[in-house]
Amino acid sequence: QKEVEQNSGPLSVPEGAIASLNCTYSDRGSQSFFWYRQYSGKSPELIMFIYSNGDKEDGRFTAQLNKASQYVSLLIRDSQPSDSATYLCAASTGGFKTIFGAGTRLFVKA
Amino acid sequence: ETGVTQTPRHLVMGMTNKKSLKCEQHLGHNAMYWYKQSAKKPLELMFVYNFKEQTENNSVPSRFSPECPNSSHLFLHLHTLQPEDSALYLCASSQDSADQPQHFGDGTRLSIL
Repeated sequence: QKEVEQNSGPLSVPEGAIASLNCTYSDRGSQSFFWYRQYSGKSPELIMFIYSNGDKEDGRFTAQLNKASQYVSLLIRDSQPSDSATYLCAASTGGFKTIFGAGTRLFVKA
Repeated sequence: ETGVTQTPRHLVMGMTNKKSLKCEQHLGHNAMYWYKQSAKKPLELMFVYNFKEQTENNSVPSRFSPECPNSSHLFLHLHTLQPEDSALYLCASSQDSADQPQHFGDGTRLSIL
């Protein structure tokens, strides 16, 4: 059973801090990795995607990929209360199947 | 309109009813997806269409019947559903394969009485 595992949280951080969200995946053939943000009652919204080992930065967000350890992370710098949401990690092995984690709830305290 | 649009936003139906969910994307994408999202569970892939052809059927019960008349429209026909089918049904699209980011609609919240 191919899986993507995430800590369900909630992860609570103070405003202005760095939030670190982690994810592991079981299928070594996974090639593409995504982070989606989902506000309560809303649909998932793409935050970052990463295909290669290393770091990828976009504004306050940094995605990190380590294929040897089968580990993906998302760092959110200068966290804001508006970042409070559930963050979904997803992995794709090509084709048309994407495996999603159950999500980590992030709460940023003002 | 832009993005991925789903209708209706909310649907309440009895177990013997027949209804359909509609999804339309205005992104020029070739692949469209149906997902089921239940509380505290990962998104479950149901069906995938690429260039109108079904490429994935993730062991979904036959009471769910998809239809994709063209690359911009996707339907999910519902018949004789069970209470455990109550969930948020999300439509998504991507340029081509699932190696590319998917764009989601706002979903249909389905409640089975």
